[in-house]
Amino acid sequence: QKEVEQNSGPLSVPEGAIASLNCTYSDRGSQSFFWYRQYSGKSPELIMFIYSNGDKEDGRFTAQLNKASQYVSLLIRDSQPSDSATYLCAVPSGGYQKVTFGTGTKLQVIP
Amino acid sequence: DVKVTQSSRYLVKRTGEKVFLECVQDMDHENMFWYRQDPGLGLRLIYFSYDVKMKEKGDIPEGYSVSREKKERFSLILESASTNQTSMYLCASLQGTEQYFGPGTRLTVT
Repeated sequence: QKEVEQNSGPLSVPEGAIASLNCTYSDRGSQSFFWYRQYSGKSPELIMFIYSNGDKEDGRFTAQLNKASQYVSLLIRDSQPSDSATYLCAVPSGGYQKVTFGTGTKLQVIP
Repeated sequence: DVKVTQSSRYLVKRTGEKVFLECVQDMDHENMFWYRQDPGLGLRLIYFSYDVKMKEKGDIPEGYSVSREKKERFSLILESASTNQTSMYLCASLQGTEQYFGPGTRLTVT
């Protein structure tokens, strides 16, 4: 079983809607997660880090961690066409020495 | 402005050649990583390093080696390039919760 799994998509949402991206993980001991955005032809860029249960908000982005169900979500409010990208979930381990990525979910925001 | 740089954006090599990919970061980060990214497979970890001269195998180390002689520099070596190593190679550095990627090297092995 992979450490982190994501639906590859594409997930299509209309402009202005909430986009919900999910990531499940296998290691119950995982405490923290990264969310990255990757535009086509570009490198991933870090957008959120979440540690511990609950929500973390940053502008239009909210990350949610549910340890009991072993999933982490990224919500994008008021989605814009510029949010169209692939979103990658990643989990650090070994004291942040190792970071393992999911395969990513492609998001398309339709104007 | 933080920076992770990679020696080449595009590289074409022949089967059997020895290939060096270099990565330099200017943030004094302890941890550095090499990934390859392929369609449908996502980012896969090849090797990582948490200190000078320290290295650990990632999920797909076969056919690769690495070198970290200085804190800011992490090199990926393909001892004998093969066509299945054609890919996008991404270097990253990490300190705490800050991780940054280089621009990537598109390697084609013919």
